[in-house]
Amino acid sequence: DGGITQSPKYLFRKEGQNVTLSCEQNLNHDAMYWYRQDPGQGLRLIYYSQIVNDFQKGDIAEGYSVSREKKESFPLTVTSAQKNPTAFYLCAVPGQHSPLHFGNGTRLTVT
Amino acid sequence: ILNVEQSPQSLHVQEGDSTNFTCSFPSSNFYALHWYRWETAKSPEALFVMTLNGDEKKKGRISATLNTKEGYSYLYIKGSQPEDSATYLCASMDSNYQLIWGAGTKLIIKP
Repeated sequence: DGGITQSPKYLFRKEGQNVTLSCEQNLNHDAMYWYRQDPGQGLRLIYYSQIVNDFQKGDIAEGYSVSREKKESFPLTVTSAQKNPTAFYLCAVPGQHSPLHFGNGTRLTVT
Repeated sequence: ILNVEQSPQSLHVQEGDSTNFTCSFPSSNFYALHWYRWETAKSPEALFVMTLNGDEKKKGRISATLNTKEGYSYLYIKGSQPEDSATYLCASMDSNYQLIWGAGTKLIIKP
């Protein structure tokens, strides 16, 4: 979507491997968020960052790590410690006229 | 209610018919209620942000109402069209600006 780029769109990994999902934004927002979506459930917050070099755990941070070295980038690493990593991952920033502006998401499949 | 609940989970509607569905949320510490439309292969798109009890918002054929005292919001679609097919998400924001998401209502419009 305009302003937020998530890559790749689809990602396949073997169990036990770490994998990093990319989220880049050119909307000049300080805040960025990572959500996970599973079938039949609402979006769940993994991590969020209010400003560069700072981030906070969300509701389901276990097995994930993030970094925020640049304002434009908020990569999410799904580690081997995440027990059920297969899911759809969404990155978001606050929008000018809406609370959240989302990227197109990354579907991660771990086998 | 401690969580955000949406009903029904899915809905099939004939093209041209009107429809509505529900979002129930915790009424305590309420700050705002968000509605999003999520079309397949796209990112969620914000429809409405509502804060005041009795608030009613409209966007074309789609409208929403809010009852903060009893903790529910209705989304109405008048004269459904195929392009209305999507999952409709609601999220309740509390006074700490934390969002709690419903699992969504999947709407399928039958031509």
